[in-house]
Amino acid sequence: EDKVVQSPLSLVVHEGDTVTLNCSYEVTNFRSLLWYKQEKKAPTFLFMLTSSGIEKKSGRLSSILDKKELFSILNITATQTGDSAVYLCAVRNSGNTPLVFGKGTRLSVIA
Amino acid sequence: GAVVSQHPSRVICKSGTSVKIECRSLDFQATTMFWYRQFPKQSLMLMATSNEGSKATYEQGVEKDKFLINHASLTLSTLTVTSAHPEDSSFYICSARDREPDGYTFGSGTRLTVV
Repeated sequence: EDKVVQSPLSLVVHEGDTVTLNCSYEVTNFRSLLWYKQEKKAPTFLFMLTSSGIEKKSGRLSSILDKKELFSILNITATQTGDSAVYLCAVRNSGNTPLVFGKGTRLSVIA
Repeated sequence: GAVVSQHPSRVICKSGTSVKIECRSLDFQATTMFWYRQFPKQSLMLMATSNEGSKATYEQGVEKDKFLINHASLTLSTLTVTSAHPEDSSFYICSARDREPDGYTFGSGTRLTVV
Protein backbone atom coordinates (compact mmCIF):
# COMPACT_ATOMS: atom_id res chain seq x y z
CA GLU A 1 0.00 0.00 0.00
CA ASP A 2 1.32 3.42 -0.95
CA LYS A 3 2.24 5.52 2.06
CA VAL A 4 3.38 9.08 2.69
CA VAL A 5 4.48 10.01 6.21
CA GLN A 6 5.10 13.56 7.32
CA SER A 7 6.83 14.76 10.46
CA PRO A 8 6.40 16.51 12.72
CA LEU A 9 2.60 16.59 12.73
CA SER A 10 2.64 20.00 14.32
CA LEU A 11 5.20 22.65 15.09
CA VAL A 12 5.16 26.00 16.86
CA VAL A 13 7.99 28.46 16.20
CA HIS A 14 8.71 32.13 16.65
CA GLU A 15 8.97 34.60 13.82
CA GLY A 16 12.42 34.55 12.31
CA ASP A 17 13.08 30.89 13.07
CA THR A 18 14.00 28.39 10.38
CA VAL A 19 11.95 25.21 10.10
CA THR A 20 12.44 21.90 8.32
CA LEU A 21 9.48 19.74 7.46
CA ASN A 22 9.98 16.10 6.58
CA CYS A 23 8.24 13.75 4.19
CA SER A 24 9.05 10.09 3.62
CA TYR A 25 7.29 7.83 1.19
CA GLU A 26 6.79 4.28 0.02
CA VAL A 27 5.03 4.02 -3.31
CA THR A 28 4.97 1.50 -6.11
CA ASN A 29 5.96 3.55 -9.18
CA PHE A 30 7.22 6.93 -8.08
CA ARG A 31 6.93 9.75 -10.54
CA SER A 32 7.01 12.97 -8.54
CA LEU A 33 6.65 14.48 -5.07
CA LEU A 34 4.69 17.63 -4.49
CA TRP A 35 4.46 20.09 -1.61
CA TYR A 36 1.35 22.14 -0.93
CA LYS A 37 0.41 24.84 1.56
CA GLN A 38 -3.12 24.73 2.89
CA GLU A 39 -4.65 27.54 4.88
CA LYS A 40 -8.40 27.65 5.13
CA LYS A 41 -9.35 26.42 1.70
CA ALA A 42 -7.88 24.22 -1.00
CA PRO A 43 -4.15 23.48 -1.10
CA THR A 44 -1.91 25.80 -3.05
CA PHE A 45 1.00 24.36 -4.98
CA LEU A 46 4.53 25.01 -3.75
CA PHE A 47 6.96 22.64 -5.42
CA MET A 48 7.15 19.57 -7.58
CA LEU A 49 10.26 17.40 -7.31
CA THR A 50 11.21 14.61 -9.63
CA SER A 51 15.01 14.37 -9.45
CA SER A 52 17.26 13.70 -6.48
CA GLY A 53 19.54 16.35 -5.13
CA ILE A 54 18.21 19.32 -7.08
CA GLU A 55 17.00 22.02 -4.76
CA LYS A 56 13.93 23.98 -5.73
CA LYS A 57 13.68 27.44 -4.26
CA SER A 58 11.02 30.10 -4.05
CA GLY A 59 11.79 33.04 -1.82
CA ARG A 60 12.24 31.79 1.72
CA LEU A 61 11.03 28.30 0.85
CA SER A 62 13.16 25.54 -0.56
CA SER A 63 12.79 21.82 -1.03
CA ILE A 64 14.91 18.86 -2.03
CA LEU A 65 14.28 15.21 -2.80
CA ASP A 66 16.33 12.11 -2.03
CA LYS A 67 15.06 9.24 -4.15
CA LYS A 68 17.53 6.78 -2.70
CA GLU A 69 16.37 7.34 0.88
CA LEU A 70 12.79 8.06 -0.22
CA PHE A 71 12.27 11.38 1.50
CA SER A 72 12.00 15.08 0.93
CA ILE A 73 12.38 18.14 3.12
CA LEU A 74 10.76 21.54 2.94
CA ASN A 75 12.72 24.38 4.50
CA ILE A 76 11.32 27.74 5.46
CA THR A 77 13.78 30.39 6.58
CA ALA A 78 13.02 33.60 8.49
CA THR A 79 9.48 32.42 9.17
CA GLN A 80 6.63 34.91 9.30
CA THR A 81 3.17 34.65 10.82
CA GLY A 82 1.79 34.34 7.29
CA ASP A 83 3.61 31.04 6.95
CA SER A 84 1.23 29.52 9.49
CA ALA A 85 -0.61 26.78 7.63
CA VAL A 86 -0.75 23.06 7.08
CA TYR A 87 1.96 21.86 4.72
CA LEU A 88 1.02 18.79 2.74
CA CYS A 89 3.35 16.40 1.00
CA ALA A 90 1.93 14.26 -1.81
CA VAL A 91 3.38 11.66 -4.10
CA ARG A 92 2.31 10.76 -7.58
CA ASN A 93 2.74 7.34 -9.14
CA SER A 94 3.08 6.72 -12.85
CA GLY A 95 -0.08 6.59 -14.88
CA ASN A 96 -3.27 8.52 -14.50
CA THR A 97 -3.33 8.14 -10.74
CA PRO A 98 -4.39 10.38 -7.87
CA LEU A 99 -1.97 11.97 -5.49
CA VAL A 100 -1.27 10.14 -2.24
CA PHE A 101 -1.18 12.66 0.58
CA GLY A 102 0.57 12.64 3.93
CA LYS A 103 -1.29 13.83 7.01
CA GLY A 104 0.36 17.21 6.85
CA THR A 105 2.44 19.30 9.23
CA ARG A 106 0.57 22.07 11.01
CA LEU A 107 2.97 25.00 11.37
CA SER A 108 2.16 27.86 13.71
CA VAL A 109 4.43 30.90 13.65
CA ILE A 110 3.98 33.23 16.60
CA ALA A 111 5.12 36.82 16.78
CA GLY B 1 -2.60 28.61 -15.40
CA ALA B 2 -5.25 25.92 -15.34
CA VAL B 3 -8.34 26.69 -13.26
CA VAL B 4 -10.92 24.40 -11.71
CA SER B 5 -14.04 26.14 -10.52
CA GLN B 6 -15.85 24.44 -7.65
CA HIS B 7 -19.32 25.39 -6.41
CA PRO B 8 -20.75 25.94 -3.94
CA SER B 9 -17.96 27.00 -1.62
CA ARG B 10 -20.12 26.50 1.43
CA VAL B 11 -23.44 24.77 1.97
CA ILE B 12 -25.58 24.01 4.98
CA CYS B 13 -28.33 21.45 4.55
CA LYS B 14 -30.76 19.50 6.64
CA SER B 15 -30.33 15.81 7.38
CA GLY B 16 -31.89 13.65 4.73
CA THR B 17 -31.50 16.09 1.88
CA SER B 18 -29.11 15.81 -1.05
CA VAL B 19 -26.39 18.23 -2.03
CA LYS B 20 -24.69 18.55 -5.40
CA ILE B 21 -21.15 19.85 -5.73
CA GLU B 22 -19.84 20.88 -9.15
CA CYS B 23 -16.31 21.05 -10.43
CA ARG B 24 -15.70 22.63 -13.78
CA SER B 25 -12.38 22.89 -15.62
CA LEU B 26 -12.37 26.31 -17.20
CA ASP B 27 -9.59 26.29 -19.74
CA PHE B 28 -8.67 22.67 -20.22
CA GLN B 29 -10.30 19.30 -20.65
CA ALA B 30 -10.27 17.14 -17.56
CA THR B 31 -10.70 13.54 -18.58
CA THR B 32 -10.09 12.53 -15.00
CA MET B 33 -11.27 14.25 -11.83
CA PHE B 34 -10.34 13.15 -8.33
CA TRP B 35 -12.67 13.79 -5.40
CA TYR B 36 -11.22 14.16 -1.93
CA ARG B 37 -12.72 14.62 1.51
CA GLN B 38 -10.99 16.30 4.40
CA PHE B 39 -12.16 16.14 8.00
CA PRO B 40 -11.00 18.80 10.46
CA LYS B 41 -7.29 18.62 11.18
CA GLN B 42 -6.87 15.63 8.91
CA SER B 43 -5.34 15.21 5.49
CA LEU B 44 -7.02 14.83 2.13
CA MET B 45 -8.50 11.39 1.65
CA LEU B 46 -9.29 10.21 -1.86
CA MET B 47 -12.93 9.23 -2.23
CA ALA B 48 -13.22 8.41 -5.89
CA THR B 49 -11.74 8.84 -9.32
CA SER B 50 -14.12 10.14 -11.94
CA ASN B 51 -13.50 9.42 -15.62
CA GLU B 52 -15.39 11.18 -18.37
CA GLY B 53 -17.98 8.94 -19.95
CA SER B 54 -17.54 5.99 -17.60
CA LYS B 55 -18.38 4.93 -14.08
CA ALA B 56 -16.38 6.35 -11.23
CA THR B 57 -13.97 4.22 -9.25
CA TYR B 58 -14.56 4.44 -5.52
CA GLU B 59 -12.03 3.92 -2.77
CA GLN B 60 -12.60 1.24 -0.20
CA GLY B 61 -15.14 2.28 2.40
CA VAL B 62 -16.79 4.96 0.26
CA GLU B 63 -20.42 4.18 -0.54
CA LYS B 64 -21.07 4.69 -4.22
CA ASP B 65 -24.83 4.94 -3.70
CA LYS B 66 -24.36 7.71 -1.19
CA PHE B 67 -21.74 9.71 -3.08
CA LEU B 68 -22.95 9.83 -6.65
CA ILE B 69 -20.41 10.99 -9.18
CA ASN B 70 -21.24 12.07 -12.69
CA HIS B 71 -18.62 13.05 -15.25
CA ALA B 72 -20.70 13.53 -18.36
CA SER B 73 -18.45 16.01 -20.12
CA LEU B 74 -14.76 16.81 -20.36
CA THR B 75 -15.20 19.97 -18.34
CA LEU B 76 -17.70 19.04 -15.65
CA SER B 77 -17.78 16.52 -12.84
CA THR B 78 -20.36 16.50 -10.07
CA LEU B 79 -20.50 14.86 -6.66
CA THR B 80 -23.93 14.44 -5.08
CA VAL B 81 -24.12 13.59 -1.40
CA THR B 82 -27.46 11.82 -1.08
CA SER B 83 -29.50 11.64 2.12
CA ALA B 84 -26.87 13.63 3.94
CA HIS B 85 -26.23 13.04 7.63
CA PRO B 86 -24.24 15.13 10.12
CA GLU B 87 -21.30 12.74 9.83
CA ASP B 88 -21.03 13.72 6.15
CA SER B 89 -20.10 17.23 7.24
CA SER B 90 -16.67 17.77 5.80
CA PHE B 91 -14.56 19.69 3.30
CA TYR B 92 -14.87 18.25 -0.19
CA ILE B 93 -12.27 19.10 -2.84
CA CYS B 94 -11.93 18.10 -6.45
CA SER B 95 -8.70 17.90 -8.37
CA ALA B 96 -8.06 17.50 -12.07
CA ARG B 97 -5.02 16.61 -14.07
CA ASP B 98 -4.20 19.67 -16.10
CA ARG B 99 -2.03 20.41 -19.12
CA GLU B 100 1.34 20.27 -17.38
CA PRO B 101 3.07 16.86 -17.36
CA ASP B 102 2.61 16.45 -13.64
CA GLY B 103 0.09 19.13 -13.01
CA TYR B 104 -2.82 18.82 -10.67
CA THR B 105 -5.24 21.67 -10.19
CA PHE B 106 -7.52 21.81 -7.19
CA GLY B 107 -10.93 23.34 -6.93
CA SER B 108 -11.45 25.81 -4.11
CA GLY B 109 -13.31 23.27 -2.00
CA THR B 110 -16.83 22.96 -0.60
CA ARG B 111 -17.48 23.06 3.11
CA LEU B 112 -20.58 20.97 3.77
CA THR B 113 -22.39 21.22 7.07
CA VAL B 114 -25.33 18.90 7.66
CA VAL B 115 -27.61 19.94 10.51
